[in-house]
Amino acid sequence: DQQVKQNSPSLSVQEGRISILNCDYTNSMFDYFLWYKKYPAEGPTFLISISSIKDKNEDGRFTVFLNKSAKHLSLHIVPSQPGDSAVYFCAASYSGTYKYIFGTGTRLKVLA
Amino acid sequence: SQTIHQWPATLVQPVGSPLSLECTVEGTSNPNLYWYRQAAGRGLQLLFYSVGIGQISSEVPQNLSASRPQDRQFILSSKKLLLSDSGFYLCAWSVGIEGVEYFGPGTRLTVL
Repeated sequence: DQQVKQNSPSLSVQEGRISILNCDYTNSMFDYFLWYKKYPAEGPTFLISISSIKDKNEDGRFTVFLNKSAKHLSLHIVPSQPGDSAVYFCAASYSGTYKYIFGTGTRLKVLA
Repeated sequence: SQTIHQWPATLVQPVGSPLSLECTVEGTSNPNLYWYRQAAGRGLQLLFYSVGIGQISSEVPQNLSASRPQDRQFILSSKKLLLSDSGFYLCAWSVGIEGVEYFGPGTRLTVL
């Protein structure tokens, strides 16, 4: 049972435009969410997090939105740059646990 | 600052041979440690995690085992590798409950 889903395996966006990466979850107990970026043959790099007490968190070009009622979060990258081309993973955790459940990833390609 | 090391970076092993992958973390005490595998074109699968020396939680029953002989050392092992063990193995660390996980550079394992 996939508790964290990234239903779009790939996404292409023009340089300078907005990239929107989506993530859905099924477990209403999840209360902390992370986004990672991964280049080929490298470990994932942490990008941004959000707690369930918030509905938005912003860090530079990256903004994460959380819609608890819809069990949906999204990562917005504005403006998109060619260096943003990578696989993006969302991950979710709930209080009292030491581990995260990862989505299957979305491959973003930013076209120059 | 904290750093995480994994070795080797690349490994090619015959079917039936043993495996030992090592991960060490510097700059932090009593980290939570994790082993993940990313199979080709797939997401991140949590294999094992440890919240302390000698404490190992197994997420997926399989041909692998993990050990934590020291506070900042995590070892992934197999007595006999299978073809299906091929993949990209990632070690990660975090601190506390729901702490952000920081990943190492990974080991590419090919079983022939």
